[in-house]
Amino acid sequence: DTGVSQNPRHKITKRGQNVTFRCDPISEHNRLYWYRQTLGQGPEFLTYFQNEAQLEKSRLLSDRFSAERPKGSFSTLEIQRTEQGDSAMYLCASSLLGDRSPLHFGNGTRLTVT
Amino acid sequence: QKEVEQNSGPLSVPEGAIASLNCTYSDRGSQSFFWYRQYSGKSPELIMSIYSNGDKEDGRFTAQLNKASQYVSLLIRDSQPSDSATYLCASCTGNQFYFGTGTSLTVIP
Repeated sequence: DTGVSQNPRHKITKRGQNVTFRCDPISEHNRLYWYRQTLGQGPEFLTYFQNEAQLEKSRLLSDRFSAERPKGSFSTLEIQRTEQGDSAMYLCASSLLGDRSPLHFGNGTRLTVT
Repeated sequence: QKEVEQNSGPLSVPEGAIASLNCTYSDRGSQSFFWYRQYSGKSPELIMSIYSNGDKEDGRFTAQLNKASQYVSLLIRDSQPSDSATYLCASCTGNQFYFGTGTSLTVIP
């Protein structure tokens, strides 16, 4: 068990560019979540996959954000036309099914939009 | 009203003391509760899970749950400087996890 892996660890991009992040969950975990976290705040839910199906997406999420989990394995999160307000830590987490299964977080991708 | 509320602190305790962190939640349907530790610039790390009313102990950590009062707490005994971090409380309802804003703890040597 190598844990949840996220790449890249850091990304600096200019406003208006597109960025894509990757998450490799713990292999036997069915559930995969993306969160965004800014300084002094708790993780904010973005979207949730169960296997390959995207079951939930935050109502607050701009349509510039899209996520995929092809074949129920790794996931990608893409942000199009980035804005300075997108600067944050993007966290991926995975878990087994069941409400007693905790989330296991990756190391996160820190995005800075200049 | 947020799903999970925490006092943001900061909370300062001397080394060796007991640190007490508190959390309330709004959804009575929440079944599971988790405490995460987050060091500055790092991702959250799970330290405790609790599902039933009462206390659950793991080493220096004790989690307490009172579903009637919708209250969760974390006690850290014999606090060490390495415990200095932000502690996040989370609840789970179905497939959705809700996080508080975290309580910043500083343990003073």
